[in-house]
Amino acid sequence: QQQVKQSPQSLIVQKGGISIINCAYENTAFDYFPWYQQFPGKGPALLIAIRPDVSEKKEGRFTISFNKSAKQFSLHIMDSQPGDSATYFCAASMGRGSTLGRLYFGRGTQLTVWP
Amino acid sequence: ETGVTQTPRHLVMGMTNKKSLKCEQHLGHNAMYWYKQSAKKPLELMFVYNFKEQTENNSVPSRFSPECPNSSHLFLHLHTLQPEDSALYLCASVPVDGNTIYFGEGSWLTVV
Repeated sequence: QQQVKQSPQSLIVQKGGISIINCAYENTAFDYFPWYQQFPGKGPALLIAIRPDVSEKKEGRFTISFNKSAKQFSLHIMDSQPGDSATYFCAASMGRGSTLGRLYFGRGTQLTVWP
Repeated sequence: ETGVTQTPRHLVMGMTNKKSLKCEQHLGHNAMYWYKQSAKKPLELMFVYNFKEQTENNSVPSRFSPECPNSSHLFLHLHTLQPEDSALYLCASVPVDGNTIYFGEGSWLTVV
């Protein structure tokens, strides 16, 4: 049973547009929800993360929206740029310390931004 | 650069070979992890070490053998692997306050 479900699998957006990637989770004990960006040949890099005490977190062009009752969270990339073309993974874990690193990942979304 | 270093970055090995992957961090983190990223599955956790002690083995076959001699180093010993074990193996670490997870760049493994 996959604990974190991510959609869409691939996304094509025009430069300047908004990219939206959605994730849903099952386990209500999850309390840490990061998004990772991965370029080919590289490891995943933390983009932005949220805890369930807030409904939205913004860092530059990247925003996480969190809906605790629906058990869903999403990544919004505003003013998408060709350099944003990468694979994006959502994940979830619980607690702090060593349990924080026990991440359950979505399957990833391949984002392509056309110039 | 996250401060988590993995070597080698690329490895090709035969099914009868024995090789090891190495991960090191000098960030003072206490928890270290091995993850596997293959083409057809989500990133999946393999092992968790906390203060050098293994705290989780996610039903990983015994042909993968982890070792954590100290809090800064983590190894993954590989022997008699199968072609389906070809994947990107990622190391990660978490500090004591557990606020952020740091991933290495990964080791690309090809089993022939």
